Amino acid sequence: GNSVTQMEGPVTLSEEAFLTINCTYTATGYPSLFWYVQYPGEGLQLLLKATKADDKGSNKGFEATYRKETTSFHLEKGSVQVSDSAVYFCALRYYNFGNEKLTFGTGTRLTIIP
Amino acid sequence: DVKVTQSSRYLVKRTGEKVFLECVQDMDHENMFWYRQDPGLGLRLIYFSYDVKMKEKGDIPEGYSVSREKKERFSLILESASTNQTSMYLCASSLGQGAGETQYFGPGTRLLVL
Repeated sequence: GNSVTQMEGPVTLSEEAFLTINCTYTATGYPSLFWYVQYPGEGLQLLLKATKADDKGSNKGFEATYRKETTSFHLEKGSVQVSDSAVYFCALRYYNFGNEKLTFGTGTRLTIIP
Repeated sequence: DVKVTQSSRYLVKRTGEKVFLECVQDMDHENMFWYRQDPGLGLRLIYFSYDVKMKEKGDIPEGYSVSREKKERFSLILESASTNQTSMYLCASSLGQGAGETQYFGPGTRLLVL
């Protein structure tokens, strides 16, 4: 079946540090890949997505590239801010004629220290 | 902006009680979903619905049921609450048009079963 494995947290970084959160997946066919972010006390919101191999999703300085050869979708940001402190979820979505499911990783808690 | 609202942010119930969690979306979305979020487990799909009066089991449907009588409203029902159903419950909706589609999440309901 489909599954997502992401880097275990928590991750603590200083402001302006470089961020990488690893995500790898197992899926049949050609899933779409997503990063969702959950700020404290809130629901999840879409951060970025990619729908086919070699696509790069980007938003708010975050980037992730859909790598089919390594089945990965690692999240990166060049210079993190305190406001990036949140829980980040990698997810894959497989859609097949009405059968739609998002499969999530376990989440990575990120804390940025001023 | 898409808005997904959930009836309560926090709920405390006793073992054996019947519990209703309500979710409403205002963007005429076809698909609606109920997840539960637990530390170290990420989000797990309980039930989803592609259309009014239609429902499909997710990965962990045991102990839950759902109702979708109107397109904008999707209810999660715990027929007889148990302590292992203490969790954060997240509702989501999506338009229903393809693989790269975004799911929009509500703020969540944190349920404590005593």
